[in-house]
Amino acid sequence: GAVVSQHPSWVICKSGTSVKIECRSLDFQATTMFWYRQFPKQSLMLMATSNEGSKATYEQGVEKDKFLINHASLTLSTLTVTSAHPEDSSFYICSARDDQGAPYEQYFGPGTRLTVT
Amino acid sequence: KQEVTQIPAALSVPEGENLVLNCSFTDSAIYNLQWFRQDPGKGLTSLLLIQSSQREQTSGRLNASLDKSSGRSTLYIAASQPGDSATYLCAVSGNTPLVFGKGTRLSVIA
Repeated sequence: GAVVSQHPSWVICKSGTSVKIECRSLDFQATTMFWYRQFPKQSLMLMATSNEGSKATYEQGVEKDKFLINHASLTLSTLTVTSAHPEDSSFYICSARDDQGAPYEQYFGPGTRLTVT
Repeated sequence: KQEVTQIPAALSVPEGENLVLNCSFTDSAIYNLQWFRQDPGKGLTSLLLIQSSQREQTSGRLNASLDKSSGRSTLYIAASQPGDSATYLCAVSGNTPLVFGKGTRLSVIA
């Protein structure tokens, strides 16, 4: 099956610093990538959708200047949390989809746990 | 806007029982419906994907059904085991990325 990796798996940073999370599709070309956020005991909430070479589309309420998304190639997307604050502490999960044909399944990375102190 | 609801929010059963988890969605114009499992502090494990043209999918002790017209899906788990304890998430995709329900937290007691 299709594999999506994320790096790092966990990160602790100080308030005010920036953190970059990488998402890679290892064995397929990801036309579209998605970033989700999950707070404790909550479900996954979509943050943004990105297509290779295009600007990301952010969901309502997600600050695009705070959560910078770059989808530079068909196998790599990055999420940078700028000027992180404790309320940004969360579990961030990326997802990738090959839009070449059905069933348009989304494959998920293992997630990155961010703790901002 | 697509909304996904899962009932019950939590379920506790003795080992060996068969059980059903329910999922409903408001917009029937979907491409796929997926069931995932999530263990505490971990990522998602895809269990079953049902395309909009399909009625059900089976994998081992798991069977998922889809009634697109009524906006419902069920996940049937046969002969439950303590290792099945996890949160089960239902998600649907249409013209939008996957939209998730809040999940059902399952505990199987030995």
